Amino acid sequence: QKEVEQDPGPLSVPEGAIVSLNCTYSNSAFQYFMWYRQYSRKGPELLMYTYSSGNKEDGRFTAQVDKSSKYISLFIRDSQPSDSATYLCAMSPGSGNTGKLIFGQGTTLQVKP
Amino acid sequence: DVKVTQSSRYLVKRTGEKVFLECVQDMDHENMFWYRQDPGLGLRLIYFSYDVKMKEKGDIPEGYSVSREKKERFSLILESASTNQTSMYLCASTLQGKEKLFFGSGTQLSVL
Repeated sequence: QKEVEQDPGPLSVPEGAIVSLNCTYSNSAFQYFMWYRQYSRKGPELLMYTYSSGNKEDGRFTAQVDKSSKYISLFIRDSQPSDSATYLCAMSPGSGNTGKLIFGQGTTLQVKP
Repeated sequence: DVKVTQSSRYLVKRTGEKVFLECVQDMDHENMFWYRQDPGLGLRLIYFSYDVKMKEKGDIPEGYSVSREKKERFSLILESASTNQTSMYLCASTLQGKEKLFFGSGTQLSVL
């Protein structure tokens, strides 16, 4: 069993839809949770960063962490064609493991005009 | 704007060749990383470095080595390239104690 599970999709939605992307994990030591966006033939770019449990909002994006269920989510409101990309969840226990992230395999999202 | 630069976007090499992948960051970050990305497997950590001339093995170091002679530069070396090393290679960096990785654009390596 992988430490981090993420449905690879692809996920196709119409423009303006609310998108929900999810990851589950097995390591209860994870404290840092991130979402990266990766456009085709580009490197991942950090989208959202959360420490421990709770919600974080940034414009149209909301990240949620539920440590009791070992489940994290990324919501995209009013999705746009420019949101079409692969979304990677990543997590780390921190504490001397700086930058040694464990990634999900990514969910490919297509937003159709 | 912060930047991690990888020297090549695309590389084609023959099996048995020695391959160098170069990475430079301009953010004065202490920590640098090499990941590879494969369909269905996601990103996997090959090697990392928390300081100049320091290196540590990640999860899949076999067949690779690294060099960090200067703070801003981290090189990945494939001593004798094999076809199973065909992959997207991603360099990343971060500040000491920070979890936010900044990635380069990647090098798509094909070994024939």
